[in-house]
Amino acid sequence: GESVGLHLPTLSVQEGDNSIINCAYSNSASDYFIWYKQESGKGPQFIIDIRSNMDKRQGQRVTVLLNKTVKHLSLQIAATQPGDSAVYFCAEISSGSARQLTFGSGTQLTVLP
Amino acid sequence: ETGVTQTPRHLVMGMTNKKSLKCEQHLGHNAMYWYKQSAKKPLELMFVYSLEERVENNSVPSRFSPECPNSSHLFLHLHTLQPEDSALYLCASSQDTGPSSYNEQFFGPGTRLTVL
Repeated sequence: GESVGLHLPTLSVQEGDNSIINCAYSNSASDYFIWYKQESGKGPQFIIDIRSNMDKRQGQRVTVLLNKTVKHLSLQIAATQPGDSAVYFCAEISSGSARQLTFGSGTQLTVLP
Repeated sequence: ETGVTQTPRHLVMGMTNKKSLKCEQHLGHNAMYWYKQSAKKPLELMFVYSLEERVENNSVPSRFSPECPNSSHLFLHLHTLQPEDSALYLCASSQDTGPSSYNEQFFGPGTRLTVL
């Protein structure tokens, strides 16, 4: 069945370095992808999204890259800060009715001082 | 502030208890959702309501019973739960549901449920 998964469960980076969080998906019918950030004790918070007709989208300090050929999604965080420490989820939406999100299992990002 | 509130934030209950989780959204959205988040597992969609009508029920056991009295409120009634039901229960809302476009979902902080 369709699934969305992350390559690594944990990632530690030095403050100021760039972070890259990866995600693989298997549903080729997915036409919309979203990255969420979940801090401890809080619900997931939208970070950035990308449509399947794009391969790159940039936000403030974040960039999402989409490679449809290998069904791979990545989130790049520039100049990682302590406040970036959280669990990051990718999610996908397949074309069709209901537009429901299917989430990956999450990567714990820890920013080291 | 996401505009979605959930109460209680923490709940401990026995397997024979009956309790309810409450979610309220202050965003004027038409769709509301219940998700279950277990440790080391992806978020699992449980129920979707659009304009107070249930549009999705993802094979959730009947011991979980949702209620949506209006577009701003969503409840999850719990009875005779099992220890494996212990998890973080997240509520979310979006402007709408439907195939034509994606509407961003805004999440509440969740209710941490422990079933003894």
